[in-house]
Amino acid sequence: DAGVIQSPRHEVTEMGQEVTLRCKPISGHNSLFWYRQTMMRGLELLIYFNNNVPIDDSGMPEDRFSAKMPNASFSTLKIQPSEPRDSAVYFCASSTNHGSGEQYFGPGTRLTVT
Amino acid sequence: AQSVTQLDSQVPVFEEAPVELRCNYSSSVSVYLFWYVQYPNQGLQLLLKYLSGSTLVESINGFEAEFNKSQTSFHLRKPSVHISDTAEYFCAVSSGAGSYQLTFGKGTKLSVIP
Repeated sequence: DAGVIQSPRHEVTEMGQEVTLRCKPISGHNSLFWYRQTMMRGLELLIYFNNNVPIDDSGMPEDRFSAKMPNASFSTLKIQPSEPRDSAVYFCASSTNHGSGEQYFGPGTRLTVT
Repeated sequence: AQSVTQLDSQVPVFEEAPVELRCNYSSSVSVYLFWYVQYPNQGLQLLLKYLSGSTLVESINGFEAEFNKSQTSFHLRKPSVHISDTAEYFCAVSSGAGSYQLTFGKGTKLSVIP
């Protein structure tokens, strides 16, 4: 199994631009999670999906952030417009509904907004 | 609601010395407990987990953790650390089977000094 796949691995963009981060979960996993990690705030859960449906988006910072999961094998996290304070590492993770809650993380996307 | 407290944000230790990383949790229900490790510039990887049964669980690289229900703790230990153990370690809790979410601690950075 290839594990959770994220793209791009690095993204540098200018303030005001739209940024789209992509995630492919492990095949057969029902739940998908988007996290953000910064030095100041640590690891934060942004949103999670179960069976492609958003269950809890209370961690999404503001309306500039949106996430979609059009099918079981693909999800996107979009920031529009981006701001320098969005600079962080964004992780995607997936898990099954029938396990212990154990999550498998992707390698992350390091976003820098200048 | 659940919470996880990792009291030490940074732990420096000399190579071949023992180490303990502390984790305490609070929950009103039975829990599953996890330790994740994050090496520099990588995603989080599961190190070990407690679901049920023996309260002492071990990883393949020499770490162990003991579930203590009365003290609501799940401390991580290793009798002799290596340079390669330098990483950030996260404790996490889920509220058992069928739970979709993990609650993470803020992490402990372990630095192994040659």
